[in-house]
Amino acid sequence: NAGVTQTPKFRVLKTGQSMTLLCAQDMNHEYMYWYRQDPGMGLRLIHYSVGEGTTAKGEVPDGYNVSRLKKQNFLLGLESAAPSQTSVYFCASSWEIPYGYTFGSGTRLTVV
Amino acid sequence: SQQGEEDPQALSIQEGENATMNCSYKTSINNLQWYRQNSGRGLVHLILIRSNEREKHSGRLRVTLDTSKKSSSLLITASRAADTASYFCATDAGTGRRALTFGSGTRLQVQP
Repeated sequence: NAGVTQTPKFRVLKTGQSMTLLCAQDMNHEYMYWYRQDPGMGLRLIHYSVGEGTTAKGEVPDGYNVSRLKKQNFLLGLESAAPSQTSVYFCASSWEIPYGYTFGSGTRLTVV
Repeated sequence: SQQGEEDPQALSIQEGENATMNCSYKTSINNLQWYRQNSGRGLVHLILIRSNEREKHSGRLRVTLDTSKKSSSLLITASRAADTASYFCATDAGTGRRALTFGSGTRLQVQP
């Protein structure tokens, strides 16, 4: 099915470990986004990309890095995980603003 | 900080009743969007209303936008148990960061 696929769906990390979250879309969308969702705080933008090879910081970028080497993929990296990064991470894509976003099903990350 | 704030935070109604959720935002916008999130799932785009529009309909959904008051409302008519979800507004400010800013959401419970 066409859409946005996130891997993994669940992960438990120890403080200080690193990991990469993968987002893949097959709709040829130009824009891709990473958000985190914490209880009672809605979604907060981490990083986004307006096209292949471009990235930009969002509202809460500290502790994260991203790469968009291929148009269909957007990777989110945590170099040294901290408990404050325990959250649900959502990837989304769109043609461009003002079109609506298509979201992935999320990655639930716990840092202990 | 959140651009959009939904009100109420939680709403419980009986099947068949109408549900109204409100969203207030702080800065001028190009458009405002509403999304639904079922428990444990990603967000799903419902409807987009542009800044020069005052009302928009989609099936049982009715969205209004009052740019002078910086507010929007989402009305779900003849609610069903399947409408139980969290609903988020998201704004496109049109300048600077080219991504949506999401509110904290309204949790809707429709009792059968």
